[in-house]
Amino acid sequence: AQTVTQSQPEMSVQEAETVTLSCTYDTSESDYYLFWYKQPPSRQMILVIRQEAYKQQNATENRFSVNFQKAAKSFSLKISDSQLGDAAMYFCAYRSLNDMRFGAGTRLTVKP
Amino acid sequence: DAGVTQSPTHLIKTRGQHVTLRCSPISGHKSVSWYQQVLGQGPQFIFQYYEKEERGRGNFPDRFSARQFPNYSSELNVNALLLGDSALYLCASSSPGQGVYEQYFGPGTRLTVT
Repeated sequence: AQTVTQSQPEMSVQEAETVTLSCTYDTSESDYYLFWYKQPPSRQMILVIRQEAYKQQNATENRFSVNFQKAAKSFSLKISDSQLGDAAMYFCAYRSLNDMRFGAGTRLTVKP
Repeated sequence: DAGVTQSPTHLIKTRGQHVTLRCSPISGHKSVSWYQQVLGQGPQFIFQYYEKEERGRGNFPDRFSARQFPNYSSELNVNALLLGDSALYLCASSSPGQGVYEQYFGPGTRLTVT
């Protein structure tokens, strides 16, 4: 069964600094997508960034980028120039055609 | 365009009762998925529907059922409620087609079972 593991329950970063959130996954499938979602206290789940497994190039969205290591089944999220509005729960997610798995989440605190 | 909408926002039920949660996808989206998010945990996949047919099911008991209507809206039904069913129920819709597209989530329905 596919599993998604986020080993950091909580992380803290100083405003304007860079932080990296870790995620590993396990799968026997070759066709899948990986995502990072942000869930603020308002609870609306917001897509931050996605990575297609067949693409070697790491995805980037403004201040957010990923380090996708397919052989190691690792998918970390780097947030540059952290802002107060980045404070939230971050979930790593794996999706294949008919299944989707989330990690347990990492709570990110941004200190002013 | 409106995002994914869910109703009701909050719901309180008693053990043994039945509950129906509703979801309207983004216009043009034909796939809807349901998730259960217990406090402090990540969402757990319950069902995926595409073109009114069930396309995926998570590890949930038969007390959980769902359906998708011709307008692609969806209902999640839970029978014989247990205290452990208390959670945030999230609905997500996907862009046209059944590919592995990213999902767009609604605000959720907070269910409390007493």
